[in-house]
Amino acid sequence: NAGVMQNPRHLVRRRGQEARLRCSPMKGHSHVYWYRQLPEEGLKFMVYLQKENIIDESGMPKERFSAEFPKEGPSILRIQQVVRGDSAAYFCASSPGAGNQPQHFGDGTRLSIL
Amino acid sequence: DAKTTQPPSMDCAEGRAANLPCNHSTISGNEYVYWYRQIHSQGPQYIIHGLKNNETNEMASLIITEDRKSSTLILPHATLRDTAVYYCIVRDNNAGNMLTFGGGTRLMVKP
Repeated sequence: NAGVMQNPRHLVRRRGQEARLRCSPMKGHSHVYWYRQLPEEGLKFMVYLQKENIIDESGMPKERFSAEFPKEGPSILRIQQVVRGDSAAYFCASSPGAGNQPQHFGDGTRLSIL
Repeated sequence: DAKTTQPPSMDCAEGRAANLPCNHSTISGNEYVYWYRQIHSQGPQYIIHGLKNNETNEMASLIITEDRKSSTLILPHATLRDTAVYYCIVRDNNAGNMLTFGGGTRLMVKP
């Protein structure tokens, strides 16, 4: 029973480049969440998606960041024109539905900006 | 979501029970209590959750006080691999789906 799969595990980009982070939810899960953990800080919610829909993006920076969860394939978190402050661990979680069902997390993508 | 208060750190001897407290004095009737842990460099791991009744699974037990203003996560026989940061989170499942992580408790299990 595969868990939430994130890739790549580590990603290095230079300032101004684009970063694409991928998340495949657990089998049977149709709800995906992205969180960011800055160094020495707690996880902060970014965005919540269901298939082909963004449900809540209240934690997403207004510029340069976007997320999608297409009908087929993984969820993608895209960061354009990366800056040093984007260096962080990005975690994806999934759940089978809304309500009280717990979210299960992947092991994250560590993004480093040179 | 209700704010939670946890001690920043705790120690526990290997093989003994680890009891991690959490205060959530402003919890409302619709809010569940969730516990997660994060072992260094890994993603948060779901442990257990409950509304008002005590809960037990293969990992831990969750004891919620009758007034629901506090709870305790119990790891019955702590091992060195239980060393992690433990997060207590309360969430109204009808008001949104995000989890709000606080500072958590850094549990150190010692031999």
